[in-house]
Amino acid sequence: EAGVTQFPSHSVIEKGQTVTLRCDPISGHDNLYWYRRVMGKEIKFLLHFVKESKQDESGMPNNRFLAERTGGTYSTLKVQPAELEDSGVYFCASSFRTGGWGNEQFFGPGTRLTVL
Amino acid sequence: AQSVTQLGSHVSVSEGALVLLRCNYSSSVPPYLFWYVQYPNQGLQLLLKYTTGATLVKGINGFEAEFKKSETSFHLTKPSAHMSDAAEYFCAVSPNSGGSNYKLTFGKGTLLTVNP
Repeated sequence: EAGVTQFPSHSVIEKGQTVTLRCDPISGHDNLYWYRRVMGKEIKFLLHFVKESKQDESGMPNNRFLAERTGGTYSTLKVQPAELEDSGVYFCASSFRTGGWGNEQFFGPGTRLTVL
Repeated sequence: AQSVTQLGSHVSVSEGALVLLRCNYSSSVPPYLFWYVQYPNQGLQLLLKYTTGATLVKGINGFEAEFKKSETSFHLTKPSAHMSDAAEYFCAVSPNSGGSNYKLTFGKGTLLTVNP
């Protein structure tokens, strides 16, 4: 069974540019999450999808970040325009359920974003 | 609000020695508790978790952790370190009830180095 995959693995862009990160969850997992780790800090929750619906986007830093999950399969996270403080590792995770059995979140390897 | 403190951003042990990675949490009620491991170029992998029941939890690769409510701790141990244990370890919590029990709050991580 394929795990959570993320593309690209690394992205280097200049301040003001746009970047789109992609996450493909484990097949059959309705729940998809985005997290971010800024250098030297904790991994922080960004948002949660159930199928194509955003259930919780309380962790999104500002309106420069836009997450989508059209069709309830893969998800994209767009940063437009990117700022220096957006640099970090962006993790995607998916789970079958949110509570009880099957709620384990499986993480992808992350996308390392560097904004120059 | 919940928070997680991992004591020691970097721990170094000799092969065969005891591994002890410390984690303390702050929460108004006992949360669910997790330890994740990240090997180089891989996603976070769940080592073990505590939800209810026995406070000593056994995980994969010989790791275990004990939930101590009175100390608000969930330290991770392994009796004998192996070279393959070198990785970054993250302690995390989530609410044990309510609508946001999927939302993981992470510590800053502890990088474990194993010396031959």
